[in-house]
Amino acid sequence: QVQLQESGPGLVKPSETLSLTCTVSGGSISSYYWSCIRQPPGKGLEWIGYIYYSGSTNYNPSLKSRVTMSVDTSKNQFSLKLSSVTAADTAVYYCAAAARSLAPLEYWGQGTLVTVSS
Amino acid sequence: DIQMTQSPSTLSASVGDRVTITCRASQSISSWLAWYQQKPGKAPKLLIYDASSLGGGVPSRFSGSGSGTEFTLTISSLQPDDFATYYCQQYNSYSRTFGQGTKVEIK
Repeated sequence: QVQLQESGPGLVKPSETLSLTCTVSGGSISSYYWSCIRQPPGKGLEWIGYIYYSGSTNYNPSLKSRVTMSVDTSKNQFSLKLSSVTAADTAVYYCAAAARSLAPLEYWGQGTLVTVSS
Repeated sequence: DIQMTQSPSTLSASVGDRVTITCRASQSISSWLAWYQQKPGKAPKLLIYDASSLGGGVPSRFSGSGSGTEFTLTISSLQPDDFATYYCQQYNSYSRTFGQGTKVEIK
């Protein structure tokens, strides 16, 4: 059973870069496609992007200019960086796993709230 | 970019009711559609994948149907544990998209 744990700063200042790390346990990082999803308070889910262990990525076109995802196979972790954040980026950020590129998000982390505020 | 539209946004129902939620894609996504259930303060849980396949451990009262651009999630007999928000998601394209969600409330 794959388990994911998000870790993030909790609070980020406007115009700075949000960094989120997802640690994978119970499975190999080379076996899944790894996604980041966010949910602003009281609103719906927004897919941010995914990365494969090879480093191949796909991002939401609306966020593409500000998003970078990376993977560290030695630590069984993948990461999200979102630059130039504003209050609109305040959300619960989730990590999730899909078994293939054309597959649903089968495993989810518990999520972590990131607030953008000065 | 593929857009996903769910209806209704909110649904009021009673225990035992048959409930149907609809999801429409802006272009054909074949059967590359999933349904998730989310409860307050929790991560979404996969219910249905490939439009009609039941996720692991999901009760059989949940079912999905459709292909192309029109999809439905049906709960055959609503149980107290089913009051939650439901999202559809397409995974046909390199970009993934969620519907805006349907909140199932107690009538």
